[in-house]
Amino acid sequence: ETGVTQSPTHLIKTRGQQVTLRCSSQSGHNTVSWYQQALGQGPQFIFQYYREEENGRGNFPPRFSGLQFPNYSSELNVNALELDDSALYLCASSQDYGYTFGSGTRLTVV
Amino acid sequence: DAKTTQPNSMESNEEEPVHLPCNHSTISGTDYIHWYRQLPSQGPEYVIHGLTSNVNNRMASLAIAEDRKSSTLILHRATLRDAAVYYCILRAMNTGTASKLTFGTGTRLQVTL
Repeated sequence: ETGVTQSPTHLIKTRGQQVTLRCSSQSGHNTVSWYQQALGQGPQFIFQYYREEENGRGNFPPRFSGLQFPNYSSELNVNALELDDSALYLCASSQDYGYTFGSGTRLTVV
Repeated sequence: DAKTTQPNSMESNEEEPVHLPCNHSTISGTDYIHWYRQLPSQGPEYVIHGLTSNVNNRMASLAIAEDRKSSTLILHRATLRDAAVYYCILRAMNTGTASKLTFGTGTRLQVTL
């Protein structure tokens, strides 16, 4: 098992720009979820993909979008960045009962 | 989503047992009780889960009340490496559909020598 890998680890963007975050799921996991974690808070669910189809979404606007690829890697795209989008973005993959999380991408919007 | 209530913080001495409580009075019959922990600068890590019976694994034990309205995560011998934020989460097990994790603010466990 190689675990969940996210890239980049840190990123600084300007308000209004677009960003793409990437995630390589753990081998054999067909479900991937993305979470946003603000400082001092628990992670908040953004959306989930199962076999390349979105099958659940949290309370996030449409400018947050994603993709899951046939090899189960995934992307999170955020358009028109706002200052409040500054957070740790976590990717998690799952095959059965437990999720395996990556270490996250720290996004700072200035 | 059914909610959970945990203390904001707890302290423990190293090599002593730690009991982390969680209240979930609105739990439904299909909700599993999951525990995750988040070490500093890392993503959450799965610890344990259960439905009705007490569960043990190499990391911890989970004690579930008979009415399922509360549970306790037990670390049998706390070490400095167990210092983390511990999250108690209710999760409906729907294979192939959205069974997201709804995190609260968790319990910050401090372990001292």
